[in-house]
Amino acid sequence: SQQGEEDPQALSIQEGENATMNCSYKTSINNLQWYRQNSGRGLVHLILIRSNEREKHSGRLRVTLDTSKKSSSLLITASRAADTASYFCATGLTQGGSEKLVFGKGTKLTVNP
Amino acid sequence: GAGVSQSPRYKVAKRGQDVALRCDPISGHVSLFWYQQALGQGPEFLTYFQNEAQLDKSGLPSDRFFAERPEGSVSTLKIQRTQQEDSAVYLCASSLFRHNEQFFGPGTRLTVL
Repeated sequence: SQQGEEDPQALSIQEGENATMNCSYKTSINNLQWYRQNSGRGLVHLILIRSNEREKHSGRLRVTLDTSKKSSSLLITASRAADTASYFCATGLTQGGSEKLVFGKGTKLTVNP
Repeated sequence: GAGVSQSPRYKVAKRGQDVALRCDPISGHVSLFWYQQALGQGPEFLTYFQNEAQLDKSGLPSDRFFAERPEGSVSTLKIQRTQQEDSAVYLCASSLFRHNEQFFGPGTRLTVL
């Protein structure tokens, strides 16, 4: 079962514009992580935000987390064609002795040159 | 050091064959995870190891799936009597400690004919 739901499912923008992707989840989390996946390639870790954090930056990326609304957003500023990829949010859960990531279905971002 | 590596990158199996997929995590990483990713979907958790101990195998879809990590480093995911529905990309990830970033390998694309 998938906990995270990304919104929108697909997003097409022009180079230089900002891209915002949202993620909602259902249960309490330890952290929330964003990943990028280029077509046919592996997942690349972008940023991790812990449940006691509200905002985090990394280069052109800005992530927010609102645990009261069980939602997160990923903002990519000044987008580039190379940002074209699928973006996934993944919630870090602890269940019993386990820790695991529960992924959403992803947002497919297309940045047009 | 090197990232997570997986082999083989591609595997074609006839229905009913057994397959073994290998994962070499980042050296020193305690936690190791296996995920299954169907086409157009986000990865889904299969199983989790902390060192050599398999602490969670709740995501394994059937008893045909078996994973091991006998020395707390390399891991093998074995699928017995493969079925067409097993066709997917199998991703391995490792992390240094609990609740940290997970680093993914490139995956093994399994096609069952």
